[in-house]
Amino acid sequence: NAGVTQTPKFRILKIGQSMTLQCTQDMNHNYMYWYRQDPGMGLKLIYYSVGAGITDKGEVPNGYNVSRSTTEDFPLRLELAAPSQTSVYFCASSYSSGEETQYFGPGTRLLVL
Amino acid sequence: KNEVEQSPQNLTAQEGEFITINCSYSVGISALHWLQQHPGGGIVSLFMLSSGKKKHGRLIATINIQEKHSSLHITASHPRDSAVYICAEYSGGGADGLTFGKGTHLIIQP
Repeated sequence: NAGVTQTPKFRILKIGQSMTLQCTQDMNHNYMYWYRQDPGMGLKLIYYSVGAGITDKGEVPNGYNVSRSTTEDFPLRLELAAPSQTSVYFCASSYSSGEETQYFGPGTRLLVL
Repeated sequence: KNEVEQSPQNLTAQEGEFITINCSYSVGISALHWLQQHPGGGIVSLFMLSSGKKKHGRLIATINIQEKHSSLHITASHPRDSAVYICAEYSGGGADGLTFGKGTHLIIQP
């Protein structure tokens, strides 16, 4: 039981490049989330999903896209990387809403230069 | 939108001391989470509570709904407790995620 896995662990992008951050969970959780963590700030919600085929915007969705074709996978797409997207990205999952424990992946550190 | 405030931002203590980290929020909530972020960056859920008190080992979490306040206590602190402790709230009514505080950076010196 691997829990929540994320790839890559670290990536450097040039301005304008695109990439996909991968997230997979093996706990059969319905809810999945993408957060970003900036230095000195609390984690902020980018996108979330309540099940396969259903996604919605969080607090800071601009510059990102998501899809949820299966229960297990919830990739985050950056289309035109900007320095403001330099951050640590965490994927999380839970069986149900915020009244359930959230399980976090190890994070992806992204640097946009 | 709920605001989550944590205090202190930074705390350095000696091994064995009793530690208290505070969390306050502005709007009524459905659930309050305490999480631990290790020096390596990983985040682990410690507690999720909506009322009263929960205990796990040397960790105790309490919540006062009327005062919109929660505390995390660590008894007999140890250097391995050194981490960032994060408070987060869920206001309910939807499927969106948690609102997080900025965290308390705790260092326990031997």
